[in-house]
Amino acid sequence: SQKIEQNSEALNIQEGKTATLTCNYTNYSPAYLQWYRQDPGRGPVFLLLIRENEKEKRKERLKVTFDTTLKQSLFHITASQPADSATYLCALERSGGYQKVTFGTGTKLQVIP
Amino acid sequence: DVKVTQSSRYLVKRTGEKVFLECVQDMDHENMFWYRQDPGLGLRLIYFSYDVKMKEKGDIPEGYSVSREKKERFSLILESASTNQTSMYLCASSLWGQMNTEAFFGQGTRLTVV
Repeated sequence: SQKIEQNSEALNIQEGKTATLTCNYTNYSPAYLQWYRQDPGRGPVFLLLIRENEKEKRKERLKVTFDTTLKQSLFHITASQPADSATYLCALERSGGYQKVTFGTGTKLQVIP
Repeated sequence: DVKVTQSSRYLVKRTGEKVFLECVQDMDHENMFWYRQDPGLGLRLIYFSYDVKMKEKGDIPEGYSVSREKKERFSLILESASTNQTSMYLCASSLWGQMNTEAFFGQGTRLTVV
């Protein structure tokens, strides 16, 4: 069955360091992968989309990589700030069309001042 | 500024009640979704609609139905609420036919069934 794995344990990181979050998937061949941010009690907010033919995508302090051979995406936040503390979700296009995605369970990031 | 609005932030209902969760988007999006989010399980798709009056079951449609009479409005209906439907419900919308298919989410409705 199709499966998405994100580290369920919280990631604690010192302010100013680079945070790296991992998204692994099995039994998928997604055309694209997305990353979202979710704050407590709120809906997810879209951050970045990366397509299968793109190795890397950047947006300000954010960087996403997509390795279709390893079936893995890495999400990096450079120069992390306490305001980056949130849960980060990856989402993959699912089979069946209609542009539906399946979400991972998310990784909680805590940036310590 | 794009917006997806859910009718309630918090809702408490009794077992057996019929519950309506409303969602409105102002972006003229074709796709609309209902998810529920539970600790450790992530977001799970309940129903999806890609056009007015069109609907498709997601992963966990049992105990739910939906209605899409107008493009901007997508309603989730719990026919007879049960305690295992206590959850955070999230509505989302996205454009049809675009590769950049980011989803825009509402603020969520935390439903408690007692």
